[in-house]
Amino acid sequence: GQNIDQPTEMTATEGAIVQINCTYQTSGFNGLFWYQQHAGEAPTFLSYNVLDGLEEKGRFSSFLSRSKGYSYLLLKELQMKDSASYLCAVKDSNYQLIWGAGTKLIIKP
Amino acid sequence: ETGVTQTPRHLVMGMTNKKSLKCEQHLGHNAMYWYKQSAKKPLELMFVYSLEERVENNSVPSRFSPECPNSSHLFLHLHTLQPEDSALYLCASSQGVGGVDEQYFGPGTRLTVT
Repeated sequence: GQNIDQPTEMTATEGAIVQINCTYQTSGFNGLFWYQQHAGEAPTFLSYNVLDGLEEKGRFSSFLSRSKGYSYLLLKELQMKDSASYLCAVKDSNYQLIWGAGTKLIIKP
Repeated sequence: ETGVTQTPRHLVMGMTNKKSLKCEQHLGHNAMYWYKQSAKKPLELMFVYSLEERVENNSVPSRFSPECPNSSHLFLHLHTLQPEDSALYLCASSQGVGGVDEQYFGPGTRLTVT
């Protein structure tokens, strides 16, 4: 079966750096997405990786290793507004998005 | 604002009721989706429409019936639902269904079945 694993919950301190990991096992691979979802709101797109390596976008970076079935989202200079759930999703061979259950990130002052 | 709107935002219905959820996208996209989001579970894809034709139906019970009259509007018709159908129902759209096409989500409809 297809599976996306990510930690259920993480806690970090304002101003610090946090890395959220995602491992996947899917039938085929057509890209990996990270979304942010604040409580009670819609998921919003953060990043897309289809080739190995690091994609940087401001305070957020996303890394992909296709051979290891692994990605991480790196958040730097954490702010209180970064408290949210972070969803990892992979497009399989049918271009269908397979979603992880999300990682709830709690930022403490 | 993501350019995708959903109504109603909250809905409480009995198991014998019939109701409809509405989604509208203002992005000129060609694909639209219905998802179910339950607490601490992955998003479950229910239906996919591309150019107004259904391309995916992930074994969803027949008590959920989608309708896509044009590329900007998507409906989810509900009838004789069960309490376990209580969840957040999210609509999304994308330019296409290819690899790089990210999905834009609406705010969702919080459905409670009593």
